[in-house]
Amino acid sequence: GENVEQHPSTLSVQEGDSAVIKCTYSDSASNYFPWYKQELGKRPQLIIDIRSNVGEKKDQRIAVTLNKTAKHFSLHITETQPEDSAVYFCATYSGSARQLTFGSGTQLTVLP
Amino acid sequence: DAGVTQSPTHLIKTRGQQVTLRCSPKSGHDTVSWYQQALGQGPQFIFQYYEEEERQRGNFPDRFSGHQYPNYSSELNVNALLLGDSALYLCASSHDTSGWGAFFGQGTRLTVV
Repeated sequence: GENVEQHPSTLSVQEGDSAVIKCTYSDSASNYFPWYKQELGKRPQLIIDIRSNVGEKKDQRIAVTLNKTAKHFSLHITETQPEDSAVYFCATYSGSARQLTFGSGTQLTVLP
Repeated sequence: DAGVTQSPTHLIKTRGQQVTLRCSPKSGHDTVSWYQQALGQGPQFIFQYYEEEERQRGNFPDRFSGHQYPNYSSELNVNALLLGDSALYLCASSHDTSGWGAFFGQGTRLTVV
């Protein structure tokens, strides 16, 4: 089955700096790569996603890049703000497996 | 649009008991997936329901079962509860079985004592 590895597990940045979270996956059939933000005690919230026919997608301060050959994708947050502090999860979806497989999460802390 | 709603929000059960968790999908969504999220970990896929049938199942024992109703709402049942079943149970809905754009509910926090 699919295996998704996410790094780093914790990340602290100064307000205004950029944050990068990386994920690798094993199933070459994976074709959808969402990122979720989960604040303490709240539901995972989809913040951005990318499909396998696209290499990069940007939405304001958030961007995701995908390298299908190397089987890795990354989340980039620019101009970080304290409200960006949360746990971020990457995930992959394989049409054959019909399930989202999540990484282990990254605790992002933005220091004011 | 209330999004995905789950009930109850918190639940305490005794080892060996049975529990039923409920989920109403986001309007326009017909597919429901259930996930277990242990503390400090990512969600783990339990199963997916579409057209009232279980379409896919993760690595969970038969103690975990589910149901989907004609109105697309769903239930997760867990029998013979173990201490290790303590977790946040999340329901996610999507408009088809692709899983793209899955929208999560706020979850049910289950504590087994």
